[in-house]
Amino acid sequence: DVKVTQSSRYLVKRTGEKVFLECVQDMDHENMFWYRQDPGLGLRLIYFSYDVKMKEKGDIPEGYSVSREKKERFSLILESASTNQTSMYLCASSLSQGRDTEAFFGQGTRLTVV
Amino acid sequence: GESVGLHLPTLSVQEGDNSIINCAYSNSASDYFIWYKQESGKGPQFIIDIRSNMDKRQGQRVTVLLNKTVKHLSLQIAATQPGDSAVYFCAEISNRNSGYALNFGKGTSLLVTP
Repeated sequence: DVKVTQSSRYLVKRTGEKVFLECVQDMDHENMFWYRQDPGLGLRLIYFSYDVKMKEKGDIPEGYSVSREKKERFSLILESASTNQTSMYLCASSLSQGRDTEAFFGQGTRLTVV
Repeated sequence: GESVGLHLPTLSVQEGDNSIINCAYSNSASDYFIWYKQESGKGPQFIIDIRSNMDKRQGQRVTVLLNKTVKHLSLQIAATQPGDSAVYFCAEISNRNSGYALNFGKGTSLLVTP
């Protein structure tokens, strides 16, 4: 089974802190994604990556950056956390760049910025 | 980007009844769709997918219908069980600069009552 693991289930950070959310997948998937999930808004794409050291902005990249130094690991970085970044963050991975490809999700990290 | 929306935010059904969850999409070029189920405290899990060259696909107790003419997608769950209580998301493949990502709807909460 594909396993996508997010390092923390719950995080509480202070406004202005630099925050790292880590995600690791164990199935040698090329593609990795970061979404945030908010009530009534569904899942929105922040950033994604199709290869090591490669990244592309999603629909809501402002206030975030990402790092993919190794194929299995994709990190989301909040440079200076703000209260409007309080949310559920979901990491996903998928096998190929083909159009017909499902994404496998981690359990999510619920981040609260105070 | 193009929007993927759901007709109803919540749906309550009695155990044993059939459930129908609807989804409208606006990108006529979309050719691959997935339904995900998200239980409380977990990440979304793949249920079933459908390609645009099909109008119906069946799984175990689930059926997805695709009407390209009106850009409408539905998920039918037969003999709904308490374990089906969750939030259901439809997603469409979204063409990005360097590949593809999934674009999600806002979700429908399904509540199964005894």
